Amino acid sequence: AQSVAQPEDQVNVAEGNPLTVKCTYSVSGNPYLFWYVQYPNRGLQFLLKYITGDNLVKGSYGFEAEFNKSQTSFHLKKPSALVSDSALYFCAVRAGGYNKLIFGAGTRLAVHP
Amino acid sequence: EPEVTQTPSHQVTQMGQEVILRCVPISNHLYFYWYRQILGQKVEFLVSFYNNEISEKSEIFDDQFSVERPDGSNFTLKIRSTKLEDSAMYFCASSGETDNQPQHFGDGTRLSIL
Repeated sequence: AQSVAQPEDQVNVAEGNPLTVKCTYSVSGNPYLFWYVQYPNRGLQFLLKYITGDNLVKGSYGFEAEFNKSQTSFHLKKPSALVSDSALYFCAVRAGGYNKLIFGAGTRLAVHP
Repeated sequence: EPEVTQTPSHQVTQMGQEVILRCVPISNHLYFYWYRQILGQKVEFLVSFYNNEISEKSEIFDDQFSVERPDGSNFTLKIRSTKLEDSAMYFCASSGETDNQPQHFGDGTRLSIL
């Protein structure tokens, strides 16, 4: 069965420091991987995707993610965190010829001044 | 930038009543989806819709639920005979023609069943 795990409920980081939000997945076939961000009282906002090609993908707002096939991971990263990055982050996977997204439980990122 | 819009933002309904949640997907998108998020839980897939028919549905999407694209712009989710456990945030999403396009989400409708 397809699944996504986000092992951390919350990540705390100081402003200006690098951040990493972890995601691992389990799918049959080649995965399409996505990161979304959710601000309070808003929907899920697309950040970036991995379909094929370079393992390091760049997205919106300075975020990037690294696809690692051997570790079945797709961690979200940013070199220098901003307070405004504080939000709920969701990793998602699509695979097996289906369009539906399977989401992780979400990780709350708190960036402190 | 084009957006997916959902109405209403909050719906309060008595148990047993029918509700219709409305969505206007991005205009040139061809795939449409509904997801829900029960408070404190994961975002769950309900149904996908393409070419005027359901292309995939989850176990959650039973006979209580139906979807419709009544015209060229709206996409609706109907929940018949609502139950307390239907209380959740319901998100509509849409995506473009190629299968590697990301899904774009609306801000959701918070459904509260009393």
